[in-house]
Order: sequence, then structure tokens, then C-alpha cells
Amino acid sequence: AQSVTQLDSHVSVSEGTPVLLRCNYSSSYSPSLFWYVQHPNKGLQLLLKYTSAATLVKGINGFEAEFKKSETSFHLTKPSAHMSDAAEYFCVVSDTGTASKLTFGTGTRLQVTL
Amino acid sequence: GAVVSQHPSRVICKSGTSVKIECRSLDFQATTMFWYRQFPKQSLMLMATSNEGSKATYEQGVEKDKFLINHASLTLSTLTVTSAHPEDSSFYICSARDPQGVQPQHFGDGTRLSIL
Repeated sequence: AQSVTQLDSHVSVSEGTPVLLRCNYSSSYSPSLFWYVQHPNKGLQLLLKYTSAATLVKGINGFEAEFKKSETSFHLTKPSAHMSDAAEYFCVVSDTGTASKLTFGTGTRLQVTL
Repeated sequence: GAVVSQHPSRVICKSGTSVKIECRSLDFQATTMFWYRQFPKQSLMLMATSNEGSKATYEQGVEKDKFLINHASLTLSTLTVTSAHPEDSSFYICSARDPQGVQPQHFGDGTRLSIL
């Protein structure tokens, strides 16, 4: 069985300050991990993915995440937040043995203030 | 890149109406598509996996007679909410498995269904 826990339902940062969105996972297999972003009334856009290659993964729009097996974590970071980053972020896990079935975290709403 | 188109984007209808939502893969063949439901400020919950040419696989607790899924071609899957009631109001999102494996699934923009 696989699961994902997003530790914060809501994060608020000031524009220009760092962003940290936390995610812990549980998986029976070697997991693939993803971060997706969802803007209001829209589908999901892939930010980045980890699939057992480099543990530090760089994605679009300046986001990156580090896979830490010892901590079962895959936190999402960005050095400097922009107003356009305000959205819902989902951490997602996929067991390689379940044919790309995805399990979603509960989401973190990122608010960016001036 | 791969694009999934979902239509309509928004539906408002009376209780008892059946509503069909279409999900199309525009530039690739999708043998497997997925249907999700998302309640306000909640995560996506997988409803069913749609396989071209065969019956859909429903997740536990999802009524197959209520949510009819048809995947008759490699580029189209449809979800029909039969005899919809206010509790069926939700945001429905489809996705298609990426044949190139760049990412696991490509998502449509969703359908906001409101039952009065």
C-alpha cells in the first residue's frame, strides 16, 4: 500500500521569500514521487518528478524537491516566491508495481502575499 | 506535448438529469484513462480506471450504475452521471496515461458539475 502525507494544509509566504511545502510518503515498492500544481478550476500540471535517478530534482518555475529515503520525505522548495505561485500543490506517489496508479496527498494551499 | 481535453468545463443542471462528460486525448492514443472526483478544498479521489474496449474498473464505494464510463476509442472516454442529485455536485477531472512515460498521467482541466 502507498500513501502520502502533506503536513501543512495551508502555507503563507511573502513574495520574494523561500517556499517549503512538506511531504512524507509510505510505499511498499521503490516509489516514484511527483509534485503537481493546480490553479483554481483547472486540472493538474506536473512540476517535477523523482523516479530513482538523482535525489535532488529540479522542476519548472524554479521549484525543486529532494528525495530523502531515510526520512521518507520529498519536500518541495523554491528560493523566492512569486505571486503567480499561489495555487494548490499536491504531492503524489506511484508504486512502480501498480501500473501508474497515483495516490494523492491532501494538498497544500500556497498563499503569496505582497 | 501531450494534451487532454475535457468538455464541458462547467455544467449546471436540474436534479434528475443525466450529464455526460467527455475526455479526449488530442495528440496521442490513450489505452487507459482515469476519472477523479474532487470535493472543495480536498484532494483528488480516483473513481475508476477506464480501459479502451473493456469495462471500467471502479474503486471501492463508487457506484458503477451511477457513474457510467465508456471508453470506446483510443482517444475518447466518457463519464455519465446518471440521474444526478445535489450530492453529485463536484469537480470531476479526467486523465490519460502517458504512452511515452514522461509523466504518469496527463490531466484535463476538469468539469465543474453543479446540480440544483
